[in-house]
Amino acid sequence: KQEVTQIPAALSVPEGENLVLNCSFTDSAIYNLQWFRQDPGKGLTSLLLIQSSQREQTSGRLNASLDKSSGRSTLYIAASQPGDSATYLCAVSDSGNTPLVFGKGTRLSVIA
Amino acid sequence: DVKVTQSSRYLVKRTGEKVFLECVQDMDHENMFWYRQDPGLGLRLIYFSYDVKMKEKGDIPEGYSVSREKKERFSLILESASTNQTSMYLCASSFTGARSYEQYFGPGTRLTVT
Repeated sequence: KQEVTQIPAALSVPEGENLVLNCSFTDSAIYNLQWFRQDPGKGLTSLLLIQSSQREQTSGRLNASLDKSSGRSTLYIAASQPGDSATYLCAVSDSGNTPLVFGKGTRLSVIA
Repeated sequence: DVKVTQSSRYLVKRTGEKVFLECVQDMDHENMFWYRQDPGLGLRLIYFSYDVKMKEKGDIPEGYSVSREKKERFSLILESASTNQTSMYLCASSFTGARSYEQYFGPGTRLTVT
């Protein structure tokens, strides 16, 4: 059964720092991987989706990479801002329209 | 933009009540999902549906049922609410025709059972 792990569980950084969030999964036979952002008490906002055939995706200050063979993905956030403070969730799907399997998230605090 | 809406942001119910949580998406998505989110446990799948009148059990279906009579609407039913069903409930949808199968989430319903 697929398991997704995110390390660290919480991270606090000063404003302006570049940072990396990590995600690992046990079964490398995935269809895609999604990174989400969740603000306290709110739903999930999709940030980036990487297909299994892709190595990375970029959106603004965010860059997500995927190394399928090693079961790892990273989310890189450049020049962090206090508005980036949120919980970041990683999730994988093994065949497209099947449900996502989620990690427990990394809670990020960016201190002004 | 894809929009997934949920009928209530906050809901308080009594033990033993029958509870209906509604989810509606406006983008003709075939696939719809119900998850619950609890501190320390993360998001867990309750039920999902690939099409109208179709449903599949997820990891934690006990105490829940679902209904999908129309493509845009997926309802989660708590047959007899219990305090251990106090949680954040999140609905999501995705499009089979899109190669990406990106999932879009609603704002969530915070349910408290007293």
